[in-house]
Amino acid sequence: GENVEQHPSTLSVQEGDSAVIKCTYSDSASNYFPWYKQELGKGPQLIIDIRSNVGEKKDQRIAVTLNKTAKHFSLHITETQPEDSAVYFCAASSYNNNDMRFGAGTRLTVKP
Amino acid sequence: EAGVTQFPSHSVIEKGQTVTLRCDPISGHDNLYWYRRVMGKEIKFLLHFVKESKQDESGMPNNRFLAERTGGTYSTLKVQPAELEDSGVYFCASSRAINTGELFFGEGSRLTVL
Repeated sequence: GENVEQHPSTLSVQEGDSAVIKCTYSDSASNYFPWYKQELGKGPQLIIDIRSNVGEKKDQRIAVTLNKTAKHFSLHITETQPEDSAVYFCAASSYNNNDMRFGAGTRLTVKP
Repeated sequence: EAGVTQFPSHSVIEKGQTVTLRCDPISGHDNLYWYRRVMGKEIKFLLHFVKESKQDESGMPNNRFLAERTGGTYSTLKVQPAELEDSGVYFCASSRAINTGELFFGEGSRLTVL
């Protein structure tokens, strides 16, 4: 089955700096890669996703890149703000939500 | 529109006791999922309902866990008897479609087994 590795487990940046979180996956059949953000006391919320037919997707300050050959994808947050502080989860799936596998999460802290 | 709601938010029980977690999905979402996150680890799939039917329960750890979704509305996850390794955060999520797309998560139920 699919195995998703996520790094780093914790990340601390200064406000205004960029943050990058990286994930690798094992199943070459995976074709959908969402990113979820979990704020304190809340459930994970989808912030951006990418499908295997594109290499990059951007939404304001966040972007995701996908390298299918190397089986890795990354989340990029530019001009970080304190409200970006949260736990971020990457995930990968191929056929349906049942086989979606999540990474272990990255705790991002943005220092003002 | 109300989101996914879970109850209780936190439960502390002793080993051997029983706990029942409840999830109310978003109205109209036929697909309901249970996940568990043990501290610092990945969010792990437990099972999936389509309406009242169990579509996939391959992630359920063992027969101490019982999930139901009578009437295809809310769902319960019962752990009986609870063991120390059952501690973690149990998330419920719902979606309108089964194919890959956005999952709407609840805030989670934190279970602590002493």
